[in-house]
Amino acid sequence: GDSVTQTEGQVALSEEDFLTIHCNYSASGYPALFWYVQYPGEGPQFLFRASRDKEKGSSRGFEATYDKGTTSFHLRKASVQESDSAVYYCALGASSGSWQLIFGSGTQLTVMP
Amino acid sequence: AQTIHQWPVAEIKAVGSPLSLGCTIKGKSSPNLYWYWQATGGTLQQLFYSITVGQVESVVQLNLSASRPKDDQFILSTEKLLLSHSGFYLCAWRTGGGDTQYFGPGTRLLVL
Repeated sequence: GDSVTQTEGQVALSEEDFLTIHCNYSASGYPALFWYVQYPGEGPQFLFRASRDKEKGSSRGFEATYDKGTTSFHLRKASVQESDSAVYYCALGASSGSWQLIFGSGTQLTVMP
Repeated sequence: AQTIHQWPVAEIKAVGSPLSLGCTIKGKSSPNLYWYWQATGGTLQQLFYSITVGQVESVVQLNLSASRPKDDQFILSTEKLLLSHSGFYLCAWRTGGGDTQYFGPGTRLLVL
């Protein structure tokens, strides 16, 4: 079945560091890929999506490029801030049923001042 | 603008007691609605989805049930809570023509 793998469970950075969170997927065709961010005690917030090879999604300084060849959608940000501390989820839109979202295990980002 | 409201904000319930959680979305007609469950520190798992009033499909059954009594309302319930039901319950919506799901604020449930 379709799946999403996030390799980093936790990432600790200092302000102004460069961020990369890795996301790889397993699915047939061209599934839509998403990034969500979740702050403590809140529901996940949609960051951005992409659905075609080489398409770049971006929001709030974060970006990711859909790569069909490596089946990846890595999240990057050039300069993180303390306010970016949150859990980040990569997700895949499965076309079976009514657009089921399959989430990765999440990456806790902690940014120290 | 669309707004999604979940109630209650939090619940503490006893094992074996009934449960009813609600979700209402305003500003969007005929949305697709979803229920998710998130264990503490865990990822999100889709439980149910509904395309239209009166129709609910189960994705993962955790001894829970769902109903959609109105176009803008989605209810999650059980007659007997288990300890394993503890967690964070999230409602989400999607327009029929789009693929992005938008989440509500969630309900925190603790079963003792």
